[in-house]
Amino acid sequence: DIQMTQSPSSLSASVGDRVTITCRASQGISNYLAWYQQKPGKVPKLLISAASTLQSGVPSRFSGSGSGTDFTLTISSLQPEDVATYYCQKYNSAPFTFGPGTKVDIK
Amino acid sequence: EVQLVESGGGLVQPGGSLRLSCTASGFTFGIYAMSWVRQAPGKGLEWVSTITNSGGSTYYADSLKGRFTISRDTSKNTVYLQLNSLRAEDAALYYCARELSALGCLDPWGQGTLVTVSS
Repeated sequence: DIQMTQSPSSLSASVGDRVTITCRASQGISNYLAWYQQKPGKVPKLLISAASTLQSGVPSRFSGSGSGTDFTLTISSLQPEDVATYYCQKYNSAPFTFGPGTKVDIK
Repeated sequence: EVQLVESGGGLVQPGGSLRLSCTASGFTFGIYAMSWVRQAPGKGLEWVSTITNSGGSTYYADSLKGRFTISRDTSKNTVYLQLNSLRAEDAALYYCARELSALGCLDPWGQGTLVTVSS
């Protein structure tokens, strides 16, 4: 099965900073990659599908890129409401594995 | 408004069984695949199972080793997850989620139902 990794596992940044999270698949998955945001105590929310398609209502400071095995989620200007754990997920075929998550805090 | 409401969680002894339900509203249930995802306390998300819109195909995480079964009843707008031979490591918040536009890509999610496995 394809394994998903994320880096870093956690980060602390200042409001307004540019934040980048990396997700890597152990084999190519084309662009079948989703990013989810889970705020503390809340239900996960889909931010980005197909590696780079921003979901309706998601702020434009979020963006995704990549294809094949390497993907990134970028927050162009970190806001206090972005404190959350971010997960990538492959969905090219089952099993639809999640990455281990990246916890983002405000410094 | 799309809504997914899970139920059926609770406290069960090791080796016991539970059936989780997820009732959908606000969309045409029969045209969407549905999935279950779990999250152990303080841990990450773990995909558990997916069933296609027709129910004709089902998929499971390898780690479950045949102990869980997903099914759906379109007449009741409900997807089920039968959990058998439960172990301590199955304790988690179990979320139901709808397919977005491709199998496995999930949006939205329900609030979850908590399964506790303890003697």
